[in-house]
Amino acid sequence: AQTVTQSQPEMSVQEAETVTLSCTYDTSESDYYLFWYKQPPSRQMILVIRQEAYKQQNATENRFSVNFQKAAKSFSLKISDSQLGDAAMYFCAYSLIQGAQKLVFGQGTRLTINP
Amino acid sequence: GAVVSQHPSRVICKSGTSVKIECRSLDFQATTMFWYRQFPKQSLMLMATSNEGSKATYEQGVEKDKFLINHASLTLSTLTVTSAHPEDSSFYICSASTADQETQYFGPGTRLLVL
Repeated sequence: AQTVTQSQPEMSVQEAETVTLSCTYDTSESDYYLFWYKQPPSRQMILVIRQEAYKQQNATENRFSVNFQKAAKSFSLKISDSQLGDAAMYFCAYSLIQGAQKLVFGQGTRLTINP
Repeated sequence: GAVVSQHPSRVICKSGTSVKIECRSLDFQATTMFWYRQFPKQSLMLMATSNEGSKATYEQGVEKDKFLINHASLTLSTLTVTSAHPEDSSFYICSASTADQETQYFGPGTRLLVL
């Protein structure tokens, strides 16, 4: 079974600084997707970034980028120029490409932005 | 991006009654919808996968007779919590996959409180 592990229950960063959230996963599959979702206090899950395992290039979305290390099964999220609105729970998630594409989530990391 | 709505956003009911939660994809057709449950300060746990026109697939440990799922159209899935008890109190979130099934978009969630 696939598992996703986020080893940092909480992280904090100064506004405008850079922070990296860690995620590791376990799978025997070669083709899959990895995601970072953000859950602010409203509890609405918001897609931050997606990475296809078959792509070697790391995904980027504006201030958000990932460091995808397939061999190490590591998928970290870097947030640059942190803003107060970035404060939220961040969940790393995995899904297969084939089949039902159901998501397996990590435990989450609560990110606090200090003004 | 794709929009998913849920109704109601919050519901309080008496123990023993049934509650129906609707999940709608507003601007796309979703052949697959997913239902998650989230306890306070915890991650999302998949309850079931709902496919339009067929029976839902439930995760291990989820009682299908208690959590009835109907996916009647390409834009609507419903979750009915039957004979609700206080331990069913939780935050229920649905998601829907776009046609390419590469990404899930989440509804805003429904907070259920059973008294």
